[in-house]
Amino acid sequence: DAGVTQSPTHLIKTRGQQVTLRCSPISGHKSVSWYQQVLGQGPQFIFQYYEKEERGRGNFPDRFSARQFPNYSSELNVNALLLGDSALYLCASSSDSSGNTIYFGEGSWLTVV
Amino acid sequence: AQSVTQPDIHITVSEGASLELRCNYSYGATPYLFWYVQSPGQGLQLLLKYFSGDTLVQGIKGFEAEFKRSQSSFNLRKPSVHWSDAAEYFCAVYAPWGGYNKLIFGAGTRLAVHP
Repeated sequence: DAGVTQSPTHLIKTRGQQVTLRCSPISGHKSVSWYQQVLGQGPQFIFQYYEKEERGRGNFPDRFSARQFPNYSSELNVNALLLGDSALYLCASSSDSSGNTIYFGEGSWLTVV
Repeated sequence: AQSVTQPDIHITVSEGASLELRCNYSYGATPYLFWYVQSPGQGLQLLLKYFSGDTLVQGIKGFEAEFKRSQSSFNLRKPSVHWSDAAEYFCAVYAPWGGYNKLIFGAGTRLAVHP
């Protein structure tokens, strides 16, 4: 079975632009979470979705939004990009929202110039 | 508030030497605890997890970790380090927060291995 897949793997955007990152969870997993990892730091929680509903949101501005589709894949959108949004964006998949084993994808590297 | 502390930012060991990476957490009850490894430019790979039961857990790649409630610690160990273990290691706690659950990560420990 495929693991958590994310796309694109790398991208470069200009300040003020918008970006959409995509994630497909492990087959059968219904929970998807998004994390931001700035260089040299641990990942920070952005969103959790379970059964297509937002279950939690971290301390990120409204420029960050996400959704989960009926097939449990997910998109993370970031509007009005800032230089500080440059980071590795990680998608995590788990079978439920209760803390069961959580698996991460390889991430999407976003560089804002 | 829940938090995870990894006191060592960088650790250097010789190949074949033993390794212990420290992790302390702050949480009111018994949390779910994880160790992840991240190679340069890569995502996070799960090494091991503790949910309940035996406080010594075995993981992949020869790693183990011991949960000590009295010390609020979950230290990662390996008896003999290989050069391929050079990477960044993250300890994380998964705990309820505001009606949902999220992983809270430490800042990471970067491991260098000398031949």
